[in-house]
Amino acid sequence: SQQGEEDPQALSIQEGENATMNCSYKTSINNLQWYRQNSGRGLVHLILIRSNEREKHSGRLRVTLDTSKKSSSLLITASRAADTASYFCATDVGGYSTLTFGKGTMLLVSP
Amino acid sequence: GAGVSQSPSNKVTEKGKDVELRCDPISGHTALYWYRQRLGQGLEFLIYFQGNSAPDKSGLPSDRFSAERTGESVSTLTIQRTQQEDSAVYLCASSLGGNEKLFFGSGTQLSVL
Repeated sequence: SQQGEEDPQALSIQEGENATMNCSYKTSINNLQWYRQNSGRGLVHLILIRSNEREKHSGRLRVTLDTSKKSSSLLITASRAADTASYFCATDVGGYSTLTFGKGTMLLVSP
Repeated sequence: GAGVSQSPSNKVTEKGKDVELRCDPISGHTALYWYRQRLGQGLEFLIYFQGNSAPDKSGLPSDRFSAERTGESVSTLTIQRTQQEDSAVYLCASSLGGNEKLFFGSGTQLSVL
């Protein structure tokens, strides 16, 4: 069954704008991770946030985690055309090590 | 190797044939995952290996699917009597341990005709 669900399914913005994607999950977690996928092949890890953390930054990426609401958001600031990709959140299910992924948000950044 | 390696990168087979997909994880990574991704869909968890522990096979969709891993090295995913609905990209990933960040291979595109 799906643990994480991303929202929106698709997002279209202009270069320079910010992009926000959300992830909701169902059971308790140890950590939540965000990944990017280009061209339907291998995923690239972006950022990992642990359950005792509320916010984390990495370059133009900002991730927040609200364990009371079982949700996370990924913010990409000053987006570029190269950010066009699908973005997935991944969580461990109930604290177990098996990582499950949501269906992803497809981001399109137009020049 | 420098990253996770999967082979073949593409496989075309006829319905009913068996296929074997291979994954070489990053050296030293104790955890290894297999996922399936159908066109335009998310990743579907198949199986998880962690060191010498019993694998988590809860995601395997049917008994036609099986996977093996020798120690902390190569893993093979076998699909017997392939069906058209098995057509997908099969992704392998490894990590230093459970709950840590995953390093993905480029996947095997399986097409069942």
